[in-house]
Amino acid sequence: AQKITQTQPGMFVQEKEAVTLDCTYDTSDQSYGLFWYKQPSSGEMIFLIYQGSYDEQNATEGRYSLNFQKARKSANLVISASQLGDSAMYFCAIKGGNQFYFGTGTSLTVIP
Amino acid sequence: DVKVTQSSRYLVKRTGEKVFLECVQDMDHENMFWYRQDPGLGLRLIYFSYDVKMKEKGDIPEGYSVSREKKERFSLILESASTNQTSMYLCASRTNLGNQPQHFGDGTRLSIL
Repeated sequence: AQKITQTQPGMFVQEKEAVTLDCTYDTSDQSYGLFWYKQPSSGEMIFLIYQGSYDEQNATEGRYSLNFQKARKSANLVISASQLGDSAMYFCAIKGGNQFYFGTGTSLTVIP
Repeated sequence: DVKVTQSSRYLVKRTGEKVFLECVQDMDHENMFWYRQDPGLGLRLIYFSYDVKMKEKGDIPEGYSVSREKKERFSLILESASTNQTSMYLCASRTNLGNQPQHFGDGTRLSIL
C-alpha cells in the first residue's frame, strides 16, 4: 500500500521568499512516481511537477523544484520567489499501479 | 490542453434522492477517477475506471456507484443521498501511459439537506 504524509497543515511565507512544503511517502514499489498539485480557492487542481523514482536529477519546473531524497522517502516541494498568487492548498501524491494516493495537503499563505 | 468538465459547480439535493454527477473528458484518456475532498482528509478515491465498462472500488465506495458507458464520460451516482455525503467531488482523467499526471475538473460542491 502507498501512503503520503504532509505534516504541515498551514504555512506562511513572505512575498519573494522561498518556501519548502514537506512530503514523505511510504511504498513497497521499486518504481513509482511522485506528483505535486496546487489547488487555489477556486477549487481546480493544477498539476505542478513530477519526480520519477529512478530520476537521478531533482525535477524543476520554473519556480518549482522538488527536493527528492529517496533514502529518506521524502519529496519536498520548493517554491522560489513566492508570489501572492501562490497562496493555495498544495497536495503531494504518489502513483501506485493505476491509482494515486494523496496527502492531506498544506495550506500556503503568501504575505505581502 | 486537456479538458475535464464536471456538469455542475454547485448542487443542492435532499436526503434520499438519487444524485448523478457527470464528468466528461476530451482527450481520449483510458483512466478516469472520482474523488471526494473533505477538510483535513485530503482527496479520497471513491471509484476509478481503467476502460469503458470497467471499474474498480477505491477507498470509500460505500453509498456510491459509477457508470462508464462511453470512454469520455464517467458518472458518479449517489444511490440514496445522505447528509454525510455533503462534500466536494473531483473528477480526474489520465492516459495509462507511463507516469503522466491526472487532469482534474473544477469540482462539484454537493450539499445534501
